[in-house]
Amino acid sequence: KNEVEQSPQNLTAQEGEFITINCSYSVGISALHWLQQHPGGGIVSLFMLSSGKKKHGRLIATINIQEKHSSLHITASHPRDSAVYICAVSRGGNQFYFGTGTSLTVIP
Amino acid sequence: EAQVTQNPRYLITVTGKKLTVTCSQNMNHEYMSWYRQDPGLGLRQIYYSMNVEVTDKGDVPEGYKVSRKEKRNFPLILESPSPNQTSLYFCASSSRGGWDQPQHFGDGTRLSIL
Repeated sequence: KNEVEQSPQNLTAQEGEFITINCSYSVGISALHWLQQHPGGGIVSLFMLSSGKKKHGRLIATINIQEKHSSLHITASHPRDSAVYICAVSRGGNQFYFGTGTSLTVIP
Repeated sequence: EAQVTQNPRYLITVTGKKLTVTCSQNMNHEYMSWYRQDPGLGLRQIYYSMNVEVTDKGDVPEGYKVSRKEKRNFPLILESPSPNQTSLYFCASSSRGGWDQPQHFGDGTRLSIL
């Protein structure tokens, strides 16, 4: 059983669409991370949050601690948003779990 | 510019030839860690370090060594590489608190062992 589940596993969208990627976890956490990995390999940290909501440009991340659920929203999606999005949860220090990733393709 | 630098970015080598992948960060971070990424298996942690001279095994440490003699550097050593260590490797760092802090990743090292 995975401690962190992401859905969907794969997602294809038309340019301009509103996109939601979900992350559910089964353990108590102190922080949740959203990571982005473009084709070609580099990993970038998008958000780290422990409550509420954060926004950066067209990206919004929310977390509901009681429901053990987080969402990553992309407004007005663009082909350059095509990437794998990875959810990771922290239990402090080196205790963490990765989700399996969501592969997003945005078609022009 | 704050960054984590890995070298080399790409390496093709042969079984048994010792190699080192370097990782350096310029953010004075205490926590550093190494991961490998394989298709279908995602990211898995190899080793981590909470501070200078403090290292510990992650989930898949077999066949790897690390050292943390200086705060900024955390090299990954493959003493006798084997083809099953062909993978994409990432180094990451953060301030004290490990994964309770934002993680900064290097650009990755694609390693092929023939």
